[in-house]
Amino acid sequence: ETGVTQTPRHLVMGMTNKKSLKCEQHLGHNAMYWYKQSAKKPLELMFVYNFKEQTENNSVPSRFSPECPNSSHLFLHLHTLQPEDSALYLCASRRQGGTEAFFGQGTRLTVV
Amino acid sequence: KNEVEQSPQNLTAQEGEFITINCSYSVGISALHWLQQHPGGGIVSLFMLSSGKKKHGRLIATINIQEKHSSLHITASHPRDSAVYICAIRDDKIIFGKGTRLHILP
Repeated sequence: ETGVTQTPRHLVMGMTNKKSLKCEQHLGHNAMYWYKQSAKKPLELMFVYNFKEQTENNSVPSRFSPECPNSSHLFLHLHTLQPEDSALYLCASRRQGGTEAFFGQGTRLTVV
Repeated sequence: KNEVEQSPQNLTAQEGEFITINCSYSVGISALHWLQQHPGGGIVSLFMLSSGKKKHGRLIATINIQEKHSSLHITASHPRDSAVYICAIRDDKIIFGKGTRLHILP
């Protein structure tokens, strides 16, 4: 148990659906991250938020829309996804200036 | 462009064996991380290194800045160490290796 909670753990959605992934931490961390892990590919950093402000967007398609309403919560809104977007989506958090990142268990997303 | 290479890709060993996983990168970095990913996806951050050596229990991580190389060692390996071990580096962004899948047989 890392203190970073992701919901849901599993999600199956159609290409026309809209869904959201949620990440929550009460560790007092102020940096939060979304990662994508596709089968047989390295982890890819998608978005970085520091103190609720987006500081990195690694050329992620607009069908992925992050939201960080406060330092404890991070969402990833999904709409009109493609089957190739099926992957494990991981959230992580870090204390600003800290060295260790804490990861959630991930949401395994399947787009049909 | 910095690249991260891990070796081996897959490793199967008997319980009790000494395990070494290697990570090489091509350009200077500010820090290197070792992560452990268990079946099901959960990831644990094991070490962050910028120089020298760190030890935590049966895990030891070393880094050689001049040679742009890091190793993760597991002493007295156990089946519960079975996982994917991922090396990640930070220069201006985070770059992950493809991971080493470790399977320890009882």
